[in-house]
Amino acid sequence: DIQMTQSPSSLSASVGDRVTVTCRASQSISTFLNWYQEKPGKAPKLLIYGASSLQSGVPSRISGSGSGTDFTLTISSLQPDDFATYYCQQSYSTPWTFGQGTKVDIK
Amino acid sequence: QLQLQESGPGLVKPSETLSLTCTVSGGSVASHSYYWAWIRQPPEKGLEWIGDIFYGGRTYYNPSLESRLTMSVDTSKNQFSLRLTSVTAADTGVYYCARRAYNSGRLLFDYWGQGTLVTVSS
Repeated sequence: DIQMTQSPSSLSASVGDRVTVTCRASQSISTFLNWYQEKPGKAPKLLIYGASSLQSGVPSRISGSGSGTDFTLTISSLQPDDFATYYCQQSYSTPWTFGQGTKVDIK
Repeated sequence: QLQLQESGPGLVKPSETLSLTCTVSGGSVASHSYYWAWIRQPPEKGLEWIGDIFYGGRTYYNPSLESRLTMSVDTSKNQFSLRLTSVTAADTGVYYCARRAYNSGRLLFDYWGQGTLVTVSS
């Protein structure tokens, strides 16, 4: 199985901050990498697919980059709606695997 | 707008069978374009993919669960289901159903249910 490792596991930030979450794969996965946002009691939401393609309806302050084994999710100016937990997921080979999550909370 | 809703018992006894159903509205499970997935999240842990099913019956299962897992589709009810046998406390968690799709050649889970908590306890 491909292991996905996210860092940090949690971070505290303020509205307006630039926030970066990283995800590392245990082997090269090209750009077969997705990012999701999860909030308590709500359906998880797809943010980014193919490492850098923005899902329809997702604000442009959110972006993704990377290829091979190292990937980044960036929120350019953190908004109140962005306080949540973020997960990366590889779609290179089954079993599809997720990172352990990065919780972004209010400083 | 596609919506998915999980349903099933919130409490299952150890060694028994966990059964969940996902009802799809705003779209059809009998689509040639999509697979339908189950994903779970144990308490304080990350997400774990359980498996995917196509309406024609083709399945992909996580090898770690395959020996205990059966997924099925009921096109007449626009539902798909999960059955996990011989459960233990390690199977406790929030269970999500989701749609597996492709965009620009990339597999993704683009619609999810809100999740249902299943606790395995006597």
